[in-house]
Amino acid sequence: DTAVSQTPKYLVTQMGNDKSIKCEQNLGHDTMYWYKQDSKKFLKIMFSYNNKELIINETVPNRFSPKSPDKAHLNLHINSLELGDSAVYFCASSHPGLTKNIQYFGAGTRLSVL
Amino acid sequence: KQEVTQIPAALSVPEGENLVLNCSFTDSAIYNLQWFRQDPGKGLTSLLLIQSSQREQTSGRLNASLDKSSGRSTLYIAASQPGDSATYLCAVSDSNYQLIWGAGTKLIIKP
Repeated sequence: DTAVSQTPKYLVTQMGNDKSIKCEQNLGHDTMYWYKQDSKKFLKIMFSYNNKELIINETVPNRFSPKSPDKAHLNLHINSLELGDSAVYFCASSHPGLTKNIQYFGAGTRLSVL
Repeated sequence: KQEVTQIPAALSVPEGENLVLNCSFTDSAIYNLQWFRQDPGKGLTSLLLIQSSQREQTSGRLNASLDKSSGRSTLYIAASQPGDSATYLCAVSDSNYQLIWGAGTKLIIKP
């Protein structure tokens, strides 16, 4: 029973393509996040949604568009992929009131742009 | 702007030793601090969370301390085991629950 699941786990694609990464959580959390882990292992927040509403939108190219059809899902769509988009992308969820802001993470999606 | 630094970047110790991982942050106005473990090909697992009003938290062989005024936290691992090998990440949270991450310490426990 995976709490936060991301698909796919690996994604290899050509420059210029459009791709999506899906994230689902079955924890009943209100808040979901997308992080990018770069080659130096730093995780940087990209987006955060609370109850389907965007609450954090860091400076990322507008080629990245998150979509939250319901509070259990937060998908990440990337247009016109570039070499620099290669990274591991992590989805996470939390419910600050109940779990004191412990974020539960998915296994990550390793994106390689060729 | 908050910055989080972890030292050392990598650490290799024999099994059974006690060890300390360090985390420092530049802005003491944090909401809480978390230590995570990252295993290759797996997600991040939250190990310990310390609220800004707390000084330490313990879970099994792990003990995390927080000195907010000096901008430091340590993760103490007692009686290390090969299964403890992983990358350990420190992250501080502001009042908006946004996490700012260190680059991690890669820990190898040699059998």
